[in-house]
Amino acid sequence: VLTQTPLSSPVTLGQPASISCRSSQSLVHSDGNTYLSWLQQRPGQPPRLLIYKISNRFSGVPDRFSGSGAGTDFTLKISRVEAEDVGVYYCTQATQFPWTFGQGTKVEIK
Amino acid sequence: QVQLVESGGGVVQPGRSLRLSCAASGFTFRTYVMHWVRQAPGKGLEWVAVISHDETNKYYADSVKGRFTISRDNSKNTLYLQMNNLRVEDTAVYYCAREGIGPTIDYWGQGTLVTVSS
Repeated sequence: VLTQTPLSSPVTLGQPASISCRSSQSLVHSDGNTYLSWLQQRPGQPPRLLIYKISNRFSGVPDRFSGSGAGTDFTLKISRVEAEDVGVYYCTQATQFPWTFGQGTKVEIK
Repeated sequence: QVQLVESGGGVVQPGRSLRLSCAASGFTFRTYVMHWVRQAPGKGLEWVAVISHDETNKYYADSVKGRFTISRDNSKNTLYLQMNNLRVEDTAVYYCAREGIGPTIDYWGQGTLVTVSS
């Protein structure tokens, strides 16, 4: 089970935001990798991959997005929130079947 | 560029069947593992099923096992989801998704809405 906090994050434009994702068990795969990713879902849009394997930014993702963590605790940080960052953010794990998702964190502008 | 276009959604009565399709383009479809993920209205994401590039391996969420079947036609660059004995709780937007680096899902379609209602 992936548990995200907070569930809602009102942020001032230009300020940082941080989302936590905690797993009920270690996400370290038997091959030594940790398959924890972060997705962004803007209103009315499908999800979009931001970060994979904890901290790797996907193609085209701005460098204001960063991921960190290990084992069971992970964090997504937005260094300076922009208007286009509004949406719901999900952590997801692919270490074991079934793949699961966190319940989502809504980022909105104050 | 990678494109995934789902079709086949609609309104269906409980107990009936529906087949979703996903047309893929912009990449070598036959070499990629593919997934279906769904999202109930106003809710979070739920992984549904996965199929290996050559159809030899398929896995399902417990909630759909025995009712849904994932398949693909690599000659047509198309992914399918056959949904039988549909339930009200299957109502969701169904996304076709490609498994890429990681592994993780790196590209998502726009989704197709399935509504199960009497």
